[in-house]
Amino acid sequence: AQKITQTQPGMFVQEKEAVTLDCTYDTSDPSYGLFWYKQPSSGEMIFLIYQGSYDQQNATEGRYSLNFQKARKSANLVISASQLGDSAMYFCAMVRPSNTGKLIFGQGTTLQVKP
Amino acid sequence: GAGVSQSPSNKVTEKGKDVELRCDPISGHTALYWYRQSLGQGLEFLIYFQGNSAPDKSGLPSDRFSAERTGGSVSTLTIQRTQQEDSAVYLCASSLVFSSGSASGTDTQYFGPGTRLTVL
Repeated sequence: AQKITQTQPGMFVQEKEAVTLDCTYDTSDPSYGLFWYKQPSSGEMIFLIYQGSYDQQNATEGRYSLNFQKARKSANLVISASQLGDSAMYFCAMVRPSNTGKLIFGQGTTLQVKP
Repeated sequence: GAGVSQSPSNKVTEKGKDVELRCDPISGHTALYWYRQSLGQGLEFLIYFQGNSAPDKSGLPSDRFSAERTGGSVSTLTIQRTQQEDSAVYLCASSLVFSSGSASGTDTQYFGPGTRLTVL
């Protein structure tokens, strides 16, 4: 079965510090894509970062980086220099080209940044 | 350019009524998806459209749910005879293309602000 697991329901981080949000996935497909989305209290899902299964390097987008460990099937999101505006729910998701592109989401992690 | 838009942003209806939710994808995006987000079920895939291909309806929870996409652009999700368990946020997303052969960044789905449906 295809599955995304986020084991941290809630996380706290001090402003300006780095934080890692965990994500593990399960698929037997050789080709897949991994995504992280941010959902603030307003409810909109905001795309943060993408990692393809064949990508040789870890993806980075500004303060966001993805620690991709293929053998361990993990795709952790690292947020550097946390800001108060980073407080939100974060979802890890996977797409498999063999499965019409629908996203499979994890349960989400609520991140609270403390001033 | 404009992002994905959805209307209405909020919809309150009585049990048994029909509702229509609208999604306007990003211009030029060929793939369109509907998801549902509820407290108990998390984020669930509902239906997917890609160009002129037959839609993937495998996520629709019952035959009360249907969707169409006219002219390859705007999509409407219809829920007939609404039930209280249909209360949720309905999210629409679009992507540039869907790569059936190999995962690609062009698969990135961009979401609209959602429609919050409340069935009384």
